[in-house]
Amino acid sequence: ETGVTQTPRHLVMGMTNKKSLKCEQHLGHNAMYWYKQSAKKPLELMFVYSLEERVENNSVPSRFSPECPNSSHLFLHLHTLQPEDSALYLCASSLDASGTGGTYEQYFGPGTRLTVT
Amino acid sequence: GQNIDQPTEMTATEGAIVQINCTYQTSGFNGLFWYQQHAGEAPTFLSYNVLDGLEEKGRFSSFLSRSKGYSYLLLKELQMKDSASYLCAVRDGDYKLSFGAGTTVTVRA
Repeated sequence: ETGVTQTPRHLVMGMTNKKSLKCEQHLGHNAMYWYKQSAKKPLELMFVYSLEERVENNSVPSRFSPECPNSSHLFLHLHTLQPEDSALYLCASSLDASGTGGTYEQYFGPGTRLTVT
Repeated sequence: GQNIDQPTEMTATEGAIVQINCTYQTSGFNGLFWYQQHAGEAPTFLSYNVLDGLEEKGRFSSFLSRSKGYSYLLLKELQMKDSASYLCAVRDGDYKLSFGAGTTVTVRA
């Protein structure tokens, strides 16, 4: 139990579908993150939210749309995706988004394995 | 852009020591993290260095030299359960954490 949960764990969608990924953290953290992990590539930061405000958008295409309704929940809305978007999508949280040392340590969820057909 | 390099794969024997090197060239530096990721699982935090020197945590130690843009993770008394991918990550701004591609360590009996 990592304290960060993600649903669904696996998702297969067509390029014309609309779906959403959900992340929930039970750690009382103030910051949440979306990452993309493709095979043999580094983890790529997509979005950062601090106290429900988006503070980083790492040049992510508009077909990915994040939503953070409160500090415990984070969504990633997906529409008209491409096959190259198939990857593991990881959510993470930390006590703070900025600050020193331990408050920035990120706790990851198990990820959603997305396949776009 | 950010450039974080680490070896792709390493193999070692149970009970041995393995050192995973990480070199980085980033626009800023606010600390370096090491994470462990078992296949199919989430990355878990191992260590954090922001000042030069060695941080020891049980069987794992991490070293940082900011002037050389270099870090290593040392795994001692290797166990089979240490077979995993080890990710080096640099915090290069207020919010951003940039990751290397990871080093897959295989521990053999």
